[in-house]
Amino acid sequence: GAVVSQHPSWVICKSGTSVKIECRSLDFQATTMFWYRQFPKQSLMLMATSNEGSKATYEQGVEKDKFLINHASLTLSTLTVTSAHPEDSSFYICSARLGSETGELFFGEGSRLTVL
Amino acid sequence: GQNIDQPTEMTATEGAIVQINCTYQTSGFNGLFWYQQHAGEAPTFLSYNVLDGLEEKGRFSSFLSRSKGYSYLLLKELQMKDSASYLCAVMDSNYQLIWGAGTKLIIKP
Repeated sequence: GAVVSQHPSWVICKSGTSVKIECRSLDFQATTMFWYRQFPKQSLMLMATSNEGSKATYEQGVEKDKFLINHASLTLSTLTVTSAHPEDSSFYICSARLGSETGELFFGEGSRLTVL
Repeated sequence: GQNIDQPTEMTATEGAIVQINCTYQTSGFNGLFWYQQHAGEAPTFLSYNVLDGLEEKGRFSSFLSRSKGYSYLLLKELQMKDSASYLCAVMDSNYQLIWGAGTKLIIKP
C-alpha cells in the first residue's frame, strides 16, 4: 500500500521554541493532507486540511498563527508549532489521501511532541 | 450536529468473536471507515464501506446499513495482538472525516 512518512517521531523542546514536523507521501502524490492531534486516551482531532499550492483550512479553535502549515509540493506538507508551550505536548499525526475525494487515507507514523 | 457513537471499551477472550458497533448522524454520507490504532501508534486502515452489506476481509468483516446509520466491525478468531482501539469514521457530504472516539478492545487469554 501507499506509504506516508512522518518525521521526527519524537521531539523534545524547550518552551518558547518552534518545532517543524514533516509529512511525506513516499510513493504517491497527495493533493490533500490532513493534520491531527491526539491527546492520551482520546480520539483524533482534526486540526487542519492542507491543500497543495494553497492555504490550509483550519478547524474551529485551532490557531493558524500558532500551527503553521505549508504544503509546498504534492509529496510534502509541514506543520510548524510556533512558540511551543507545555500544553502543546501531544501526538501529532498526518494523513494523505490517495486519489479522489473518497480515496483511502494513509497515516504517517505520528510525532510525539514534548514541550518542557 | 454530527456525531459518531461507539462503545468506549469492550473485553473479549482470545479465539472468540467480537462485534464493535458504530452509529452515526452526519450531514451527508460518502462512506464509512474503520481503523485500528495500537497505543502510541498511528491508525491503520481496516475497511471502507459505502454500500449496504457485509464486506469480509480475512478475520475482519465490516457491515453497513445506511438507512439505519449503523455499522459494525466483526473480529473473528481473536488474537492477543488485536488488543487496540478501533476507530469508526464517516465521510460527510464535504468529504471530511468525522471521527468516533474509538473503542478500546481488551483481549484476555
